[in-house]
Amino acid sequence: DAKTTQPNSMESNEEEPVHLPCNHSTISGTDYIHWYRQLPSQGPEYVIHGLTSNVNNRMASLAIAEDRKSSTLILHRATLRDAAVYYCILRAGSNYKLTFGKGTLLTVNP
Amino acid sequence: GAGVSQSPSNKVTEKGKDVELRCDPISGHTALYWYRQSLGQGLEFLIYFQGNSAPDKSGLPSDRFSAERTGGSVSTLTIQRTQQEDSAVYLCASSPYSSGSYEQYFGPGTRLTVT
Repeated sequence: DAKTTQPNSMESNEEEPVHLPCNHSTISGTDYIHWYRQLPSQGPEYVIHGLTSNVNNRMASLAIAEDRKSSTLILHRATLRDAAVYYCILRAGSNYKLTFGKGTLLTVNP
Repeated sequence: GAGVSQSPSNKVTEKGKDVELRCDPISGHTALYWYRQSLGQGLEFLIYFQGNSAPDKSGLPSDRFSAERTGGSVSTLTIQRTQQEDSAVYLCASSPYSSGSYEQYFGPGTRLTVT
């Protein structure tokens, strides 16, 4: 699997937008960009995924660079419940498993 | 609807004993996955089922680990002769299909402690 690079940690204030970056310069044309998050003492939770176009869902937005070498997960209004480790994962269409890195620990301040 | 469930939520066992961990995937999901998360470590892939078949067992750490899936639904992960290094949270996930274009839904995990 192609490698992703994320900051180890980020901080945000409650009710402010959060932009979580991910670099994936070796991405291939068949790789989907997946984001998962893991709240304390819980299993990972799917957030969003995309291939080439920007994606929106009820949880977040995913902005994908035109060359696909980077992407940004956007939480529009952070809440305390959004404090978690966020994982950016590349997954080829033919690849059945997720390969987790260290992710970004997001702290949300009240 | 119901999510992925796992049982037990916590298991404490003595070194050398066998343990069985159970996973109930989301109804209708054909793909099922087991992962492990050790203290301070990331999540590592263990095994994947498509229906009742396991095309990839390469992530199983040793031959003390085995898994099966019956009826295309429930899966059991068995660890024989447990060792202290087996202590971890064991996570199960399921998805409608195994393709990379589909998301995986995770259960809450089973925390295994080997004393």
